[in-house]
Order: sequence, then structure tokens, then C-alpha cells
Amino acid sequence: AQSVAQPEDQVNVAEGNPLTVKCTYSVSGNPYLFWYVQYPNRGLQFLLKYITGDNLVKGSYGFEAEFNKSQTSFHLKKPSALVSDSALYFCAVRPRLSGGYNKLIFGAGTRLAVHP
Amino acid sequence: DTAVSQTPKYLVTQMGNDKSIKCEQNLGHDTMYWYKQDSKKFLKIMFSYNNKELIINETVPNRFSPKSPDKAHLNLHINSLELGDSAVYFCASSPPLGQVDTDTQYFGPGTRLTVL
Repeated sequence: AQSVAQPEDQVNVAEGNPLTVKCTYSVSGNPYLFWYVQYPNRGLQFLLKYITGDNLVKGSYGFEAEFNKSQTSFHLKKPSALVSDSALYFCAVRPRLSGGYNKLIFGAGTRLAVHP
Repeated sequence: DTAVSQTPKYLVTQMGNDKSIKCEQNLGHDTMYWYKQDSKKFLKIMFSYNNKELIINETVPNRFSPKSPDKAHLNLHINSLELGDSAVYFCASSPPLGQVDTDTQYFGPGTRLTVL
């Protein structure tokens, strides 16, 4: 079965420190990969995506993610965390063989808490 | 301007009632989606419509019936509400095939449904 795993329910980081939110996937072929962020009582906001090309993808708010095909991972990173980055982060994949349909499979989410 | 809007934002109702949630997007997108986010924040696709045609139906009970009067609107009607239907429902849309960001989905703010 196709799935996305975010192994950490919560990640705690001190402000100014680098952060990593982990994501691995189990999808056949080379899927499209996404990160979304959800602030409290808000909808999901698109952060970044990997379709093809350079394995390091840069997105909104200083976030970046690295695609690692051999490890089937797409970890989200930021060099210096801000308190305002505290939110719920979702990794998602879209299988390329999805019949042309834009069907996203989401991970369970990781709550990022950045402490002053 | 709100790109993807949903009404109502909150909906509290009794078991057995019938209710509707409306979604509108002013982005000119062709494809719209409904997602359900449960109490554990797990997000799963329910339906997808492309140009008013149903293209994804993820084994959702028949009590849930999406309706797309035009490609800018996708409403969700729920019959005979059950306690387990309590969740946050998100609408999303994505650009037409062939556009650069066709794979990116844009989410509404969500509708929190509480069934008593």
C-alpha cells in the first residue's frame, strides 16, 4: 500500500537553531513530493514541492527540503528556526501513476514547536 | 481576496440531521477536492471533481454527496449525520493540467463540523 510516514509526532527546537522534520514514503515509481504547513485554526498552506531536477528544493519562509531517492525520504529543513514557524507540518506525495489525477497522500503530520 | 473559501466555518448539529458545506474558489482552477481531517489531524481525500465531473471517490459512505454546479464550486452534502462525522473538512483546488503548478493544491480555511 502507498503511504507516507512522518516518524515524529512533535519536534522541539530552540529559536535560532536548525530544524529538520522527517518524511519517508512508500510509493512506486518517482512520486511528486510536497510539504504543507497548517497554522492553528487555519487551512493548509503550500510550502514547497519536488517534481524533478535538483534534489534540494527551496520554498516559502526559508524552508527547504532534500529529496533522497535511495532512502525514499523528503526531509524538511530550515537553517534557523523562528518561534513563528511553530505549526503542524504535513508531508504529501502524489504518485506519478495516478491516472493523471492529482491525488495527494498525506502523512500524519508533525507538530513543530520552536521555543524562545 | 480569499482564494478558496468555505462556509460555514463552524457547524454544530444533532445526529441524524442533514447538512451542507459550501466551497468556492476564485482562482480559475479546474479541479476541486474535499478532505477530512480527523481529531488526530490525519488528513484524507474524500472526493475530487474536474470540470464538474467526479474523478476521485475514496470509499466514502453514500451519506456524503458532493455537488459541483460549476467548476468554481464544490459543495458537500451530508445526510443522516453520525458522531463519527465530526471532523474538520477542507476544500482545495488545483490549476488545470498543463499549467506550471498544476500539481499544487490550494486549501480553504476548513469547516469544523461537530455532531452531538
